[in-house]
Amino acid sequence: GEDVEQSLFLSVREGDSSVINCTYTDSSSTYLYWYKQEPGAGLQLLTYIFSNMDMKQDQRLTVLLNKKDKHLSLRIADTQTGDSAIYFCAVYFVTAGNKLTFGGGTRVLVKP
Amino acid sequence: EPEVTQTPSHQVTQMGQEVILRCVPISNHLYFYWYRQILGQKVEFLVSFYNNEISEKSEIFDDQFSVERPDGSNFTLKIRSTKLEDSAMYFCASSERVAEAFFGQGTRLTVV
Repeated sequence: GEDVEQSLFLSVREGDSSVINCTYTDSSSTYLYWYKQEPGAGLQLLTYIFSNMDMKQDQRLTVLLNKKDKHLSLRIADTQTGDSAIYFCAVYFVTAGNKLTFGGGTRVLVKP
Repeated sequence: EPEVTQTPSHQVTQMGQEVILRCVPISNHLYFYWYRQILGQKVEFLVSFYNNEISEKSEIFDDQFSVERPDGSNFTLKIRSTKLEDSAMYFCASSERVAEAFFGQGTRLTVV
């Protein structure tokens, strides 16, 4: 079946780069997403990548996709304290129908 | 910027009572979804809705759940007889096309 996994926690110093990793099981993925959830808030769509791409850059965010290893990463350059949040990887699998399958979320803590 | 809005932000209800969670999707979107997140668990798909009918539903979405689009703007989730295990954050989402869902802030449902 379709599954998405993420590491639970990442601690990073302000100004450094953060890299959040995600793995998924099914090769029928078409769209892969990163959502951000701040305390008490909803799921904010940060960026997404199509499965026919290897990389997408959007300002401080870089998404890398390794289809062979079924590995997705989100790099945040020059991490700021406002980047402290939970980051969710979500995958749209063709075989799973019109829905997103979420990872468990990575809590990112940015230290000054 | 258009956004998905959900009301209420927090609902407390007694076990066995009916609750209705409300959502206003983004106006030109055609696909509507409900997801939920039980504390400490992954965000799970409940149901998708397109062209005034349910297009997909998960195993969680049993006869106790129903969705409705009563007018041109609202999208509701009804739980007929709430159970303790229905306590969760419920997220509404909408999308213009398949995938690329935008989420609301969520409604925290507490069943006591």
